[in-house]
Amino acid sequence: GAVVSQHPSRVICKSGTSVKIECRSLDFQATTMFWYRQFPKQSLMLMATSNEGSKATYEQGVEKDKFLINHASLTLSTLTVTSAHPEDSSFYICSARGLREQYFGPGTRLTVT
Amino acid sequence: DAKTTQPPSMDCAEGRAANLPCNHSTISGNEYVYWYRQIHSQGPQYIIHGLKNNETNEMASLIITEDRKSSTLILPHATLRDTAVYYCIVRVPTLQGGSEKLVFGKGTKLTVNP
Repeated sequence: GAVVSQHPSRVICKSGTSVKIECRSLDFQATTMFWYRQFPKQSLMLMATSNEGSKATYEQGVEKDKFLINHASLTLSTLTVTSAHPEDSSFYICSARGLREQYFGPGTRLTVT
Repeated sequence: DAKTTQPPSMDCAEGRAANLPCNHSTISGNEYVYWYRQIHSQGPQYIIHGLKNNETNEMASLIITEDRKSSTLILPHATLRDTAVYYCIVRVPTLQGGSEKLVFGKGTKLTVNP
């Protein structure tokens, strides 16, 4: 099946700093990618939809100025958590739309201290 | 997309069949039933999907009732590695004009016991 990678797999940062997470579709081109967030023992919550070459569409309640999304190519989308706070600590998962289905990355564990 | 209802948790003995139910009583005629699973601390994995006919692949079988108001995912010979949260989602496929978003409910936590 199609492969989606994320980097880094886990990151620890200090409060007030920014963190960038990369999502890559390794063997297919993805015009659309999605970013999810998952808190412990909860389900995945969609944060935003990212289309190559255009602005991302954010779900209600997600701050677009805090979670910057860039989808500059058909195989790469990035999520930057700006001015991170401890409450931003979570599991961030990206998904890329392939020809038939959506494929998910392995996730990035962010811990803000 | 229509809502789904799944039991919060289920147990299954290793080597036995795991039957995971899903209710989707408000499903529309053009909505498919999709199943994904998420093993702890990993991204979700696609399992199977179907419209009205039963489907089978190398991972599982999907049985959809004739009225399409419910379905069952069957793992024929569960292993310890099948322990995961299983999500049932109904949606119109993107290629048929449906929303690209996958909206996850709470799913069923399946525990396969030795």
